[in-house]
Amino acid sequence: DAGITQSPRHKVTETGTPVTLRCHQTENHRYMYWYRQDPGHGLRLIHYSYGVKDTDKGEVSDGYSVSRSKTEDFLLTLESATSSQTSVYFCAISERGKGSNQPQHFGDGTRLSIL
Amino acid sequence: QQQVKQSPQSLIVQKGGISIINCAYENTAFDYFPWYQQFPGKGPALLIAIRPDVSEKKEGRFTISFNKSAKQFSLHIMDSQPGDSATYFCAAGEGGKLIFGQGTELSVKP
Repeated sequence: DAGITQSPRHKVTETGTPVTLRCHQTENHRYMYWYRQDPGHGLRLIHYSYGVKDTDKGEVSDGYSVSRSKTEDFLLTLESATSSQTSVYFCAISERGKGSNQPQHFGDGTRLSIL
Repeated sequence: QQQVKQSPQSLIVQKGGISIINCAYENTAFDYFPWYQQFPGKGPALLIAIRPDVSEKKEGRFTISFNKSAKQFSLHIMDSQPGDSATYFCAAGEGGKLIFGQGTELSVKP
């Protein structure tokens, strides 16, 4: 298994509260991704990072922000959580990204419920 | 707008049978087509992947067939086993980003 740890694994919170999810990797891969998984939608890219302090938006980025201050950590923040953000969130890593498609390896996810 | 359409949503196959899952894409710039397998409570795991310069790739019991002109690709699981019961996702990649299909829940009956 790729060395990817997501924390927390489960979280229940209330609408309007800030939430931060963490992805930690031990593979020293340059590229990191945040996805959300919802029934009938597969996985949808929220944000991704192609290096420390280098991030870009995915297809469903509204309401989310990210930060990457170290190669091994990629944080996803919901500034003010809404019920529509209830989902399972997955982090993925890849050795290379832009211009050269390489396999993405996924963590085991964080199940987030917003009441 | 769904750029990658996957079918069927669910599939039941007898042990030893062939499971076939299909995907269609729209963007001709896609240049990488992986399939992922996901068990409950776990993240998706890369199963097999193909690039558009080949029409077929086989790894063990898993085969991807790719039709560039039709913009379609499919996963064939030969000699399906109960342990193959999982959700399967196709994806299409460009510039390091993946667009996923909606998923197929496969159940292999003993």
